[in-house]
Amino acid sequence: SYELTQPPSVSVSPGQTARITCSGDALPKKYAYWYQQKSGQAPVLVIYEDSKRPSGIPERFSGSSSGTMATLTISGAQVEDEADYYCYSTDSSGNHRGVFGGGTKLTVL
Amino acid sequence: QVQLVESGGGLVKPGGSLRLSCAASGFTFSDYYMSWIRQAPGKGLEWVSYISSSGSTIYYADSVKGRFTISRDNAKNSLYLQMNSLRAEDTAVYYCARAPYSSDGEGYYFDYWGQGTLVTVSS
Repeated sequence: SYELTQPPSVSVSPGQTARITCSGDALPKKYAYWYQQKSGQAPVLVIYEDSKRPSGIPERFSGSSSGTMATLTISGAQVEDEADYYCYSTDSSGNHRGVFGGGTKLTVL
Repeated sequence: QVQLVESGGGLVKPGGSLRLSCAASGFTFSDYYMSWIRQAPGKGLEWVSYISSSGSTIYYADSVKGRFTISRDNAKNSLYLQMNSLRAEDTAVYYCARAPYSSDGEGYYFDYWGQGTLVTVSS
C-alpha cells in the first residue's frame, strides 16, 4: 500500500526556519497537502496543492515539492507553531484512497 | 462560516455497532464530496472513507472495508458512518471533513474539519 514518510520530530529555536519533509513515490504526479494539529484540536489545512496557502494562514508557512519529496517550511518559527504536522496525498494507483504521513512533532523552544 | 459537527460516538463492546453523524452548515452541502478520518489515541491521522456529492461514488480504507458504510442525506445536510463488527483497533476520534477535489481533478483533500467524536471499543 502507498506510504508517505515524515521524520518523527523536528526541533528549532524561535525565529529559526523549520523544514519538514514528506516523501512518497506518487508525489511527482499527485499534490501534497499539509495539516497542523495542535494538542487536543482538530487538524487545520496550512498548505494545499504543494504550495498554496489558505486564507488566514500566516505567510511564514510555505510549501514546495520536487520529485518524490514535498517540504513544509516555516520561516521564523514561532512558539505557537509548535504542533504535529501531517502531510497528505492520494494514491496514484487509481483506487482514490487518501494517505497521511505518520506526522512530525515540531518543537519550538 | 463552514461548520461540521459530529455526534454519535461512545463506548461500545467488540462486535457491536455504532452510527456516527455529521451535521454540515455554512456551505452548499450537496456540492461537495465528504470524508471520514480517524485518529487513534496518541497516534496519527488515518483516512477512513470518502463519498461523492451525489453519493454514487464511495471509497473505503482496507482496514474498514466490509464493516463500515458511509452515506449522506443532502436534504438534511448530513453525513453518516455506520460502523459494524467493531474492534478494539477502531477506537479513535472520528472526524468528518469537507473534501474538495484538487484543481487538476487528480485527487481530493480536506479543507474543513469537525471537532471529532470519540469512539471507544472495549468490553
